[in-house]
Amino acid sequence: DAKTTQPNSMESNEEEPVHLPCNHSTISGTDYIHWYRQLPSQGPEYVIHGLTSNVNNRMASLAIAEDRKSSTLILHRATLRDAAVYYCISLRQGAQKLVFGQGTRLTINP
Amino acid sequence: GAGVSQSPSNKVTEKGKDVELRCDPISGHTALYWYRQSLGQGLEFLIYFQGNSAPDKSGLPSDRFSAERTGGSVSTLTIQRTQQEDSAVYLCASSPDRARLWNTEAFFGQGTRLTVV
Repeated sequence: DAKTTQPNSMESNEEEPVHLPCNHSTISGTDYIHWYRQLPSQGPEYVIHGLTSNVNNRMASLAIAEDRKSSTLILHRATLRDAAVYYCISLRQGAQKLVFGQGTRLTINP
Repeated sequence: GAGVSQSPSNKVTEKGKDVELRCDPISGHTALYWYRQSLGQGLEFLIYFQGNSAPDKSGLPSDRFSAERTGGSVSTLTIQRTQQEDSAVYLCASSPDRARLWNTEAFFGQGTRLTVV
């Protein structure tokens, strides 16, 4: 699995979009990009994942760079409930476990 | 229940005692994972089950830690002779049996907070 690099922390305002970056410069063609988040005092929860194309779901959008060396998780309209640690994880086909880094701690200001 | 269930939610034990932590995965999920998260730290992988077998036990920190899974369902993580450094939140996750982890999602429980005094 490719190593991922994320900023330690980010801050945004309620009702504004948030763009959370992730670098994975050593990614291979069969590595999927996953995002999980961990709200305070809770277990992690899945947000979104993708391979090559941009992905959208009810929680967020995932924009993957054309060279796949970076990606961005987009929260379209942040709420206070989106304050969490966001983890970007690269998972190779055949991988049998999620390996979490330190993630990005997102603070949302009212 | 619809989600991954862990019990107890909190456990306080005396140093040297054994503890058992339980995980009930989502029905039908054959993959089950244990993680631990010490205060202010990241998530540390402990062990992975596929069915009742554990192909990857690489994260178990010492031989005081063991885990089993029976009937392809419930899993128990046992810590013998607990030490203060074992204090952490122990998280369990499961993922669907017809898909592979890299192209699906894992579902986490709320965790068991273990405090060794």
